[in-house]
Amino acid sequence: DTAVSQTPKYLVTQMGNDKSIKCEQNLGHDTMYWYKQDSKKFLKIMFSYNNKELIINETVPNRFSPKSPDKAHLNLHINSLELGDSAVYFCASSQEIRGKNIQYFGAGTRLSVL
Amino acid sequence: AQKITQTQPGMFVQEKEAVTLDCTYDTSDPSYGLFWYKQPSSGEMIFLIYQGSYDQQNATEGRYSLNFQKARKSANLVISASQLGDSAMYFCATSLYNQGGKLIFGQGTELSVKP
Repeated sequence: DTAVSQTPKYLVTQMGNDKSIKCEQNLGHDTMYWYKQDSKKFLKIMFSYNNKELIINETVPNRFSPKSPDKAHLNLHINSLELGDSAVYFCASSQEIRGKNIQYFGAGTRLSVL
Repeated sequence: AQKITQTQPGMFVQEKEAVTLDCTYDTSDPSYGLFWYKQPSSGEMIFLIYQGSYDQQNATEGRYSLNFQKARKSANLVISASQLGDSAMYFCATSLYNQGGKLIFGQGTELSVKP
């Protein structure tokens, strides 16, 4: 009964391939996010969806495309993978209550591009 | 623009002692939240504690407390009675109330608890 679950946990692939990471939350939250953690452990937001609507789209290459089929799911598709895409990708979800917006994270997906 | 600064890349603490992890933030917006997350070596991100900018009292959650000094723009995390399981990376973060929950993270502090 994991609250925010991501699959796969590890992803090893060749440069130029296309891959997807799936995320599901069972917390009933309206908002879901994707964050990237680089090799220096720095975390940066990539996207955010609220009730299937894109609300945050940071300066991320067009090769990254989020898709939210419903408010409990937010998937991340990456085209033409590059070496620099190697990182840990975290999904998170939250429900804002009077300005308080605590995000709960999935376990992360470690992507290695060879 | 918002910014979070954690000036301690690494910290050591003796088991059962208290430790303070520093965090300063920079924002001109009066409505914001401050967060601390723990990332153990297993990699997951665990929410620890939250402080709203309008909260009058410092937040506490079990052994965690947030020393919120608004005028100094600091939000230090205090862990009391450190345990070996507290060894992890700790991230301070902030978000504005009107920016859809976008979290801005600091660089992190790696805490090692010595037996």
